[in-house]
Amino acid sequence: EVQLVESGGGLVQPGRSMKLSCAASGFTFSNYGMAWVRQAPTKGLEWVATISYDGSSTYYRDSVKGRFTISRDNAKSTLYLQMNSLRSEDTATYYCTRGNCYWGQGVMVTVSS
Amino acid sequence: DVVLTQTPPTLSATIGQSVSISCRSSQSLLHSNGNTYLHWLLQRPGQSPQLLIYLVSRLESGVPNRFSGSGSGTDFTLKISGVEAEDLGVYYCVQGTHAPFTFGSGTKLEIK
Repeated sequence: EVQLVESGGGLVQPGRSMKLSCAASGFTFSNYGMAWVRQAPTKGLEWVATISYDGSSTYYRDSVKGRFTISRDNAKSTLYLQMNSLRSEDTATYYCTRGNCYWGQGVMVTVSS
Repeated sequence: DVVLTQTPPTLSATIGQSVSISCRSSQSLLHSNGNTYLHWLLQRPGQSPQLLIYLVSRLESGVPNRFSGSGSGTDFTLKISGVEAEDLGVYYCVQGTHAPFTFGSGTKLEIK
């Protein structure tokens, strides 16, 4: 069974950093591209970043370019999202997803002073 | 980016009623490899999204067959034939044909 388990969220002040992790199991992690999707409170789903199966290619939405970094450790079957210079508008539940078919339970990130 | 326009934004149905949700794309979702990467998700209250339909019309394993998907090119439809109480939530279409993948704005299904 495919499982994706996010961790690392919480409350952070504007301008600070936070790193999210997504532990994958139940499939060969190194064979699949992965992505982060977020959902602001009461809002819809919004793609954040994508990484290729081997980590060689990464893509970001414009509003997070230069601030967020997606990465992966295939040996650990883990996906990461390093978030720097956080803003209030980054407040959301962050999901890791494999191809929009499998989703984690999400982790809440609140950016507030 | 591809824009997916979902209608209606909200839907109120009685148990047993059949309903449809429309998803229209700003450009064709037919990939050069012949696949159309248009999927449907359901997000129940307080839960993460779950896949219902993939590649326009393929039912995800474990999803009841009262759900069905159809369409091609730029126009797609999700149909629920006989709504049940557990179907309440927000339905999203999502496209993966053109990078970056994008989501519709969602259709909230309420049970009368």
